[in-house]
Amino acid sequence: KAGVTQTPRYLIKTRGQQVTLSCSPISGHRSVSWYQQTPGQGLQFLFEYFSETQRNKGNFPGRFSGRQFSNSRSEMNVSTLELGDSALYLCASSLGAGRYVDEQFFGPGTRLTVL
Amino acid sequence: AQSVAQPEDQVNVAEGNPLTVKCTYSVSGNPYLFWYVQYPNRGLQFLLKYITGDNLVKGSYGFEAEFNKSQTSFHLKKPSALVSDSALYFCAVRDNTGGFKTIFGAGTRLFVKA
Repeated sequence: KAGVTQTPRYLIKTRGQQVTLSCSPISGHRSVSWYQQTPGQGLQFLFEYFSETQRNKGNFPGRFSGRQFSNSRSEMNVSTLELGDSALYLCASSLGAGRYVDEQFFGPGTRLTVL
Repeated sequence: AQSVAQPEDQVNVAEGNPLTVKCTYSVSGNPYLFWYVQYPNRGLQFLLKYITGDNLVKGSYGFEAEFNKSQTSFHLKKPSALVSDSALYFCAVRDNTGGFKTIFGAGTRLFVKA
């Protein structure tokens, strides 16, 4: 079974630009979560989607948004990039049915550098 | 609000010695608790989880964790450390009240010296 895939793996952008990151979950997984990983802050929760609905979101500004498609693939978008947005963005998928929580399977991440 | 604390930034242990990586949590309902490991240049991998039942949970690579409700702790343990266990370890918590949010600790870097 293929794992979680994220594209692109690396991105270099300049301040003020916008970026879209993509995540394809494991086949059959309906829940996708996004995290921002930085050396100083660890993993910060961005949002979680299940069946195209955002179930929860973290404490990030409105410049961070996401969506999930009917095939469970997910995208996240960051507009008006700031230097502090430089980070590794991780996507994780899980079965996500109801309240029972399986472990999450993580993708390799997208390394975003904002210059 | 949910929170997870990993009080040690780094843990050093000699190969063959037992290791413990500490984690305490705070949730409003009953917790779902997880440990993940991140090896250099590799993605986060699931190690083990506590949902309900026995307080001692066994996971991958010989790791185990003990859930202690009164101390709100979920420490990761291994009886005999290997050099290959050197990695970044994350504790995570999710509540069962429908919040649908997994919160991770800041991570603990484990160094196992030969």
